[in-house]
Amino acid sequence: QQQVKQSPQSLIVQKGGISIINCAYENTAFDYFPWYQQFPGKGPALLIAIRPDVSEKKEGRFTISFNKSAKQFSLHIMDSQPGDSATYFCAASKGDTDKLIFGTGTRLQVFP
Amino acid sequence: EPEVTQTPSHQVTQMGQEVILRCVPISNHLYFYWYRQILGQKVEFLVSFYNNEISEKSEIFDDQFSVERPDGSNFTLKIRSTKLEDSAMYFCASSELAGSYNEQFFGPGTRLTVL
Repeated sequence: QQQVKQSPQSLIVQKGGISIINCAYENTAFDYFPWYQQFPGKGPALLIAIRPDVSEKKEGRFTISFNKSAKQFSLHIMDSQPGDSATYFCAASKGDTDKLIFGTGTRLQVFP
Repeated sequence: EPEVTQTPSHQVTQMGQEVILRCVPISNHLYFYWYRQILGQKVEFLVSFYNNEISEKSEIFDDQFSVERPDGSNFTLKIRSTKLEDSAMYFCASSELAGSYNEQFFGPGTRLTVL
């Protein structure tokens, strides 16, 4: 019930293409869904986050789509760039705790 | 830009030895966390800490683990008697406020290798 399932494990995209990473959860008490970006040798850094009261949040080229009934959320990276090559983690938490439950990560490679 | 720092970047130890991993959270942050990531696996929560007390801990955080804020700037994770399975990347994080909506800032991690 505490798990967050993430797919795909790895993703190769051409420059300018759309990268899509999907996550699913079971615990309906989760109320915060952040995405973290991690470059080699660095810690995860918050990229974008959403709460379940909205179905979509966009920040620049990054969009989270949230489907509450399906208990799924996804990250879309528009116009993917080589600089976006990193590992992306979805996560979830619930309001009475700071504990982040992470997905297994997706290694994105964007080729020129 | 303020950042969380961690030392050392890589620690190699023998099984059964004690290790202390050090973190310097962002200066005005009050909430501190340790996570770990076994190679190729997901990042897992270990413990959260506020006001010199553990707020929450996971099943991983057993009696072999302890945390401390020995002074106004450092936050440490101690593993008393390391096991092979403790080999992982350990991330420290901090946040200004509590609650799931507040961003946790992660350090670069300490890679712990237990031989």
